[in-house]
Amino acid sequence: DTAVSQTPKYLVTQMGNDKSIKCEQNLGHDTMYWYKQDSKKFLKIMFSYNNKELIINETVPNRFSPKSPDKAHLNLHINSLELGDSAVYFCASSQVGAQYFGPGTRLLVL
Amino acid sequence: GENVEQHPSTLSVQEGDSAVIKCTYSDSASNYFPWYKQELGKRPQLIIDIRSNVGEKKDQRIAVTLNKTAKHFSLHITETQPEDSAVYFCAAPPGGADGLTFGKGTHLIIQP
Repeated sequence: DTAVSQTPKYLVTQMGNDKSIKCEQNLGHDTMYWYKQDSKKFLKIMFSYNNKELIINETVPNRFSPKSPDKAHLNLHINSLELGDSAVYFCASSQVGAQYFGPGTRLLVL
Repeated sequence: GENVEQHPSTLSVQEGDSAVIKCTYSDSASNYFPWYKQELGKRPQLIIDIRSNVGEKKDQRIAVTLNKTAKHFSLHITETQPEDSAVYFCAAPPGGADGLTFGKGTHLIIQP
């Protein structure tokens, strides 16, 4: 009965490839997010979705695109992967205030 | 946008002593201030939060204080234990909007 889940847990790929990370929440929350945590542990918000509408879009490259098929899912698609994309990507969801994070996806671009 | 500063970046305390981590924020419209604990290789987990209409909140050994006038809030951990060792993050929403701006984290080390 995991609240926020992500797949895959690890992702190793070559530069230039396209990859997707999936996220699902069973908390009934209205808003979902993607965060990036770099090697220095800095956590930065990338996107949020509320009722299928993008309401925050930080200055991330347009190679990153969030896709939400329904309120319980927010997937992250990354085109033309670069070395600097290597990081841990966390999905999160919230209703009012408190955010709950998924387990993270460790992406390594070679 | 919101700017959140967190200090110190590393804090080492003896087991049983207290630990205090401090954060400041820039957006006076922010109204919600959570604290997250992240153990090595794990997800950030919410440990306590406070809203702007409250000055202090306590949960067992953990407490958070908020000074809206000065725009700073602090995490207090008493009677520290080895399992308190982790990275702690403060956060605030930008202007009350969705999403959180995080501080850069404090690595708390509990010395036996």
